Amino acid sequence: GAGVSQSPSNKVTEKGKDVELRCDPISGHTALYWYRQSLGQGLEFLIYFQGNSAPDKSGLPSDRFSAERTGGSVSTLTIQRTQQEDSAVYLCASSLVTGSSLAQHFGDGTRLSIL
Amino acid sequence: GESVGLHLPTLSVQEGDNSIINCAYSNSASDYFIWYKQESGKGPQFIIDIRSNMDKRQGQRVTVLLNKTVKHLSLQIAATQPGDSAVYFCAEKGSSNTGKLIFGQGTTLQVKP
Repeated sequence: GAGVSQSPSNKVTEKGKDVELRCDPISGHTALYWYRQSLGQGLEFLIYFQGNSAPDKSGLPSDRFSAERTGGSVSTLTIQRTQQEDSAVYLCASSLVTGSSLAQHFGDGTRLSIL
Repeated sequence: GESVGLHLPTLSVQEGDNSIINCAYSNSASDYFIWYKQESGKGPQFIIDIRSNMDKRQGQRVTVLLNKTVKHLSLQIAATQPGDSAVYFCAEKGSSNTGKLIFGQGTTLQVKP
């Protein structure tokens, strides 16, 4: 499809387990973002990738969170030793960085539930 | 610190009326603003954006107004339809050089038939 694709759409896991969330951005978009959305809240920035530049990791809440982007395309967000407070919807977005619109286009997210 | 907030958590309008959703932002250095619509179980959907060198921009049935003097952003929806019912978020591109957006908490728009 033409949009941002995220998988899995839902993930339920036990506290202490590691999880990996995947994001396929829109083809041609050089910038990729991860956000987190808790129930009934706005989006909280986690990390930003742009081309070959060092990622902006300033939003990652702890060192249990990490992300990588391979080949300038697909990205994986990894949460180690999950805690119940990690339960949220994790949203990925991609965008152009030049041109008439800088709009970030979002996937439908991964709903993560930690038991 | 940087923050973007919405004045009203819920807005209820009659079908066919115009809707106005407001947003206040705190970072006067922000140069880009964007409105999203989010339906239940979906990711935010882009509606319209505006750069700080503009004060108005129109799309299909939507208009965004930017008042930099009072740091205020609004989204106007003309002839509101039931399909417009959703949560609306404003966001700003903050003062850092990265592309991260700072989101408000959202306003729920309820359209009564």
